[in-house]
Amino acid sequence: ETGVTQSPTHLIKTRGQQVTLRCSSQSGHNTVSWYQQALGQGPQFIFQYYREEENGRGNFPPRFSGLQFPNYSSELNVNALELDDSALYLCASSSFQGYNSPLHFGNGTRLTVT
Amino acid sequence: AQKVTQAQTEISVVEKEDVTLDCVYETRDTTYYLFWYKQPPSGELVFLIRRNSFDEQNEISGRYSWNFQKSTSSFNFTITASQVVDSAVYFCALSDNFNKFYFGSGTKLNVKP
Repeated sequence: ETGVTQSPTHLIKTRGQQVTLRCSSQSGHNTVSWYQQALGQGPQFIFQYYREEENGRGNFPPRFSGLQFPNYSSELNVNALELDDSALYLCASSSFQGYNSPLHFGNGTRLTVT
Repeated sequence: AQKVTQAQTEISVVEKEDVTLDCVYETRDTTYYLFWYKQPPSGELVFLIRRNSFDEQNEISGRYSWNFQKSTSSFNFTITASQVVDSAVYFCALSDNFNKFYFGSGTKLNVKP
């Protein structure tokens, strides 16, 4: 069973730039969620994708956007980067919608905005 | 609104000591799920346990045990005979009907040899 994989592992960008983070979900999972984890904090929900459509969004501005592909992999795009966007971005997959599905997380992408 | 509070920011124990990590949650939902995750320095969140709101039985898995008390909205996690490998940040989380997870701020556990 292949777990959740994310790329890249680390990224350094300049304020105002755009970034794309990638995630391959665990085999058999059709739902992908993205979380932002600032240093010393718990993960914060960004959004969730199910069957290639956004299905639920947290308190993040529209410059955070995403995609899910037919193979259930996903991208997180952030435009007009701000210093506060520096964080660990975690992708998680689950087998189906519903509140009883554990999320399986990748190792994350560490984004630094300078 | 959903909220999870982990009041203990950091705990240090000596190997073989027992340690309890506290978790208090708030929700208006009658049906919900609670989770515990472990985050080692590598960054990956590792799923430990899931508990639904209708099951208040305590659970034991090896050295780990969980105490769910709906009356006090608490879901505490105890590690018995702690080991150095238990050192990590532990997160308690609550999920809603859309599988959106609300995480606490985490408790960093340091187990010293």
